[in-house]
Amino acid sequence: AQRVTQPEKLLSVFKGAPVELKCNYSYSGSPELFWYVQYSRQRLQLLLRHISRESIKGFTADLNKGETSFHLKKPFAQEEDSAMYYCALGAAGNKLTFGGGTRVLVKP
Amino acid sequence: GAGVSQSPSNKVTEKGKDVELRCDPISGHTALYWYRQRLGQGLEFLIYFQGNSAPDKSGLPSDRFSAERTGESVSTLTIQRTQQEDSAVYLCASSLGPRRYEQYFGPGTRLTVT
Repeated sequence: AQRVTQPEKLLSVFKGAPVELKCNYSYSGSPELFWYVQYSRQRLQLLLRHISRESIKGFTADLNKGETSFHLKKPFAQEEDSAMYYCALGAAGNKLTFGGGTRVLVKP
Repeated sequence: GAGVSQSPSNKVTEKGKDVELRCDPISGHTALYWYRQRLGQGLEFLIYFQGNSAPDKSGLPSDRFSAERTGESVSTLTIQRTQQEDSAVYLCASSLGPRRYEQYFGPGTRLTVT
């Protein structure tokens, strides 16, 4: 069975500071990992996926299979980054398994 | 084009009543998913449709929960004899097809059972 763990429920940082959201997963096969984001009063949306190896809105995430982690990082947080972030794992069976979410608050 | 829509946006019902939640996926998306999000918790998978068949119903919490889908279109999630623990936001998502993990989410239906 697959499992996704986001150990931090809340991350509070000042604008311009780095932010890192932790995500660990358990899955015996080759997973696909995603970060989804939900801004206030908006619907959940895809932020980035590991297979794209892209940077979106300044965020990057690297899949570390040895540590079974997919941490999300941004070197300089902005106030508009304040949101709820969910790490998700896609594996056999088509469904996504989500972590519990991390609320990010960027203070001015 | 239009995104995933869900109705109603809010539903308050009395314990023991049945409720139906509706999801309209993005046109052309063959895969459709239902999730539940309880307050302060992550998303919990309920059921997955490919076309109008449901190859994965593993997340339905009890036989009070059922879902159907008409072709590659509308889906309804029905909860019979609602209980207070059913209170949650029910989210629907769709994607282009199997193993296309980029899922597009609807705004959700907030269900409150009193």
